[in-house]
Amino acid sequence: EAQVTQNPRYLITVTGKKLTVTCSQNMNHEYMSWYRQDPGLGLRQIYYSMNVEVTDKGDVPEGYKVSRKEKRNFPLILESPSPNQTSLYFCASSPGTFYNEQFFGPGTRLTVL
Amino acid sequence: GESVGLHLPTLSVQEGDNSIINCAYSNSASDYFIWYKQESGKGPQFIIDIRSNMDKRQGQRVTVLLNKTVKHLSLQIAATQPGDSAVYFCAERRFSGTYKYIFGTGTRLKVLA
Repeated sequence: EAQVTQNPRYLITVTGKKLTVTCSQNMNHEYMSWYRQDPGLGLRQIYYSMNVEVTDKGDVPEGYKVSRKEKRNFPLILESPSPNQTSLYFCASSPGTFYNEQFFGPGTRLTVL
Repeated sequence: GESVGLHLPTLSVQEGDNSIINCAYSNSASDYFIWYKQESGKGPQFIIDIRSNMDKRQGQRVTVLLNKTVKHLSLQIAATQPGDSAVYFCAERRFSGTYKYIFGTGTRLKVLA
């Protein structure tokens, strides 16, 4: 089944404890992206990647890191999480930037205490 | 399921009626506009897109209208069904060196039986 998977789906952590949210897609997509979703603010893009080893900042990159060592994986790293990073996170992928249809994962609910 | 927005504008429609969901955008440089549907507890799902040089595009039971004069986008759903109950987001695609997607805050559609 073609899909985008994220792990974990739910995470409660404490301020300053490094964490990684994994994202994997099995569709051989070139483009991958991370979004956060907050009430009243909609979806905001954190980072995106056009292809392996090519990443770029979205609108809200502060406090996050990403890497794209393999085409299928695009992990989101929070080196020192803070409470304002409590949010619902979505990973998405698409065949390339000429395709507007992004396929979204199921989301990761992160709470930072 | 996950709450994606506690204070979203809500549109309540009787089953079988047509729904019209509106969206205002700000950037005239956007080259594509996209509609997504997000059901409770799931990631957004692509519905339809429209290029900025078009004013109408039809899909299966959906029509998107674009009015560039007033920077307004609408999604019309014909014969609304209970399965259409969801949050609907519009998004713009902008080019600034690379393509970025800017999402709106969403509208909740409730279908009344």
